[in-house]
Amino acid sequence: LAKTTQPISMDSYEGQEVNITCSHNNIATNDYITWYQQFPSQGPRFIIQGYKTKVTNEVASLFIPADRKSSTLSLPRVSLSDTAVYYCLVGNNNDMRFGAGTRLTVKP
Amino acid sequence: DAGVIQSPRHEVTEMGQEVTLRCKPISGHNSLFWYRQTMMRGLELLIYFNNNVPIDDSGMPEDRFSAKMPNASFSTLKIQPSEPRDSAVYFCASTSSPGVPYEQYFGPGTRLTVT
Repeated sequence: LAKTTQPISMDSYEGQEVNITCSHNNIATNDYITWYQQFPSQGPRFIIQGYKTKVTNEVASLFIPADRKSSTLSLPRVSLSDTAVYYCLVGNNNDMRFGAGTRLTVKP
Repeated sequence: DAGVIQSPRHEVTEMGQEVTLRCKPISGHNSLFWYRQTMMRGLELLIYFNNNVPIDDSGMPEDRFSAKMPNASFSTLKIQPSEPRDSAVYFCASTSSPGVPYEQYFGPGTRLTVT
């Protein structure tokens, strides 16, 4: 399983764009990159998934460079309610492992 | 859809007692996962099932832990005997296909405290 590395924590302010980068140097050819969000006292929630280039949905964008050794989750105009832990996972089936995640704190 | 249902939501028990956690996956989902989350170890995958068959139980801590999925709509995680270090939040999740990693839907979790 490809190992992922992300910052332990990040701070931001309301209305700003937040970019969280995940490194996965050993990603395999058939691996996908998936991001989850977890609020306190809740289970993780799927945000976005991609294989290459860029993926966008109503919540976030995911940027994946050509070498796929990293990925960046972009949250546009964050609000206080975006304060959560964000996990980057890499894998090619449902046997994906959660790392420590990035604790994002959005301040007023 | 009610989502993934877990029971109980909170469990407090004494060391040595048997604990059974229950999970009802989303109807139609054929993969089910049990996770454990603690401050020290983060979110750990314990075991997952495809079509009611255990696929990978390498994350199960030791023989005190066992999981079953007797049918597509029900799974249990049992700890016998329980120990204080088993205190954690246990999450169940389900998804619709075992192939390409599909979105996993998590339940609300069971907070277990072993005294």
